[in-house]
Amino acid sequence: DAMVIQNPRYQVTQFGKPVTLSCSQTLNHNVMYWYQQKSSQAPKLLFHYYDKDFNNEADTPDNFQSRRPNTSFCFLDIRSPGLGDAAMYLCATMAGGLSREQFFGPGTRLTVL
Amino acid sequence: KNQVEQSPQSLIILEGKNCTLQCNYTVSPFSNLRWYKQDTGRGPVSLTIMTFSENTKSNGRYTATLDADTKQSSLHITASQLSDSASYICVVSKKEGSTLGRLYFGRGTQLTVWP
Repeated sequence: DAMVIQNPRYQVTQFGKPVTLSCSQTLNHNVMYWYQQKSSQAPKLLFHYYDKDFNNEADTPDNFQSRRPNTSFCFLDIRSPGLGDAAMYLCATMAGGLSREQFFGPGTRLTVL
Repeated sequence: KNQVEQSPQSLIILEGKNCTLQCNYTVSPFSNLRWYKQDTGRGPVSLTIMTFSENTKSNGRYTATLDADTKQSSLHITASQLSDSASYICVVSKKEGSTLGRLYFGRGTQLTVWP
């Protein structure tokens, strides 16, 4: 059963055209994360939510925004995608307790033309 | 500086053979270490998670070891299968006062299993 779901799996957009990626979870976890992963690189944390508390990484470009309307859903908005924003975008949730295990979604592959 | 280094960067083995992947870290204070398998174009999937007091943990043909003194971990894959071809990522969690322990990712070892 899918626990962290990302839609769409593949997204193609034009340079400068806004795009929204979505993530939903059935785990009822408090914490949700967005990562950017480029080819052969480690995932890079963009931001995370603890409930509705939003935390932005210092080096996340202003071009990237996020919304979390409720526990289950989280969105990544890229206001004006550039060629350098082409990447895999991973959503993850975190279980509570000492394990702090993160569960990742399958990712959305973004292509910018 | 908190870092996670993995070796080798890539590895090719024949089906049925064993292999061992290495992870060295400097993250401190240490909370836990995880190995993830990431198939091409997919999200990472957890294989094992180990805390400070655990030395070995197995998950089927995958066995992870942890030496918290030397800050080293290994992932041993037994009797490799074609489906083991993937990137294996070592992730270390830092112990922090808040409930959100920051994660530090290695760049992964790209394993290719040939028939």
